[in-house]
Amino acid sequence: EIVLTQSPATLSLSPGERATLSCRASQSVSNYLAWYQQKPGQAPRLLIYDASNRATGIPARFSGSGSGTDFTLTISSLEPEDFAVYYCQQRSSWPPLTFGGGTKVAIK
Amino acid sequence: EVQLVESGGGLVQPGGSLRLSCAASGFTFSTYSMNWVRQAPGKGLEWISYISSSGKTIYYADSVKGRFTISRDNAKNSLFLQMTSLRAEDTAVYFCARDLYSGSSLPDYWGQGTLVTVSS
Repeated sequence: EIVLTQSPATLSLSPGERATLSCRASQSVSNYLAWYQQKPGQAPRLLIYDASNRATGIPARFSGSGSGTDFTLTISSLEPEDFAVYYCQQRSSWPPLTFGGGTKVAIK
Repeated sequence: EVQLVESGGGLVQPGGSLRLSCAASGFTFSTYSMNWVRQAPGKGLEWISYISSSGKTIYYADSVKGRFTISRDNAKNSLFLQMTSLRAEDTAVYFCARDLYSGSSLPDYWGQGTLVTVSS
């Protein structure tokens, strides 16, 4: 089973700042890495798939990069609605699909 | 508009059973693979099961294998999860999620979830 480790656990930033979230895989997942956003009481929303492709309707301030074992989600300038928990997910070697433990982007 | 609406959650005693349903609309259900993903209170996401568009290919997480059964009724645009031998650690919000494209194992649309509480 591929383990995904996200860091940091919590990122405290102010609106307008740049957010950089990391996801590291225990073995190569090629580019089969996705990012989700989840707000309290809501379902996850797909942001990025295959490392760098924005899902439908996702603003351009969200971008993804990386391949192999190291991936990054960048939010170029945080909007108030971006404060949430972000999860990475791999589909390179499954079952099982696996998710990272999440990074909470909190208001500083 | 794609919609997924889960139902069937509730309070059940350890060892009990429950059947979750997910009603799909706004897309051609029979052409998409589907998943169940759960989230324990205050915890992260855990994938638990996948079913192909035809229903012929099914996978489970080890944590639920032998206890949970996924199925679908393409004529009724519905996905199901039969849960038996429930344990306290099965307490979670259960989401159904559609794959971005059939067989992709890339959940894109998710329902709002249904809460299952296993407690005596």
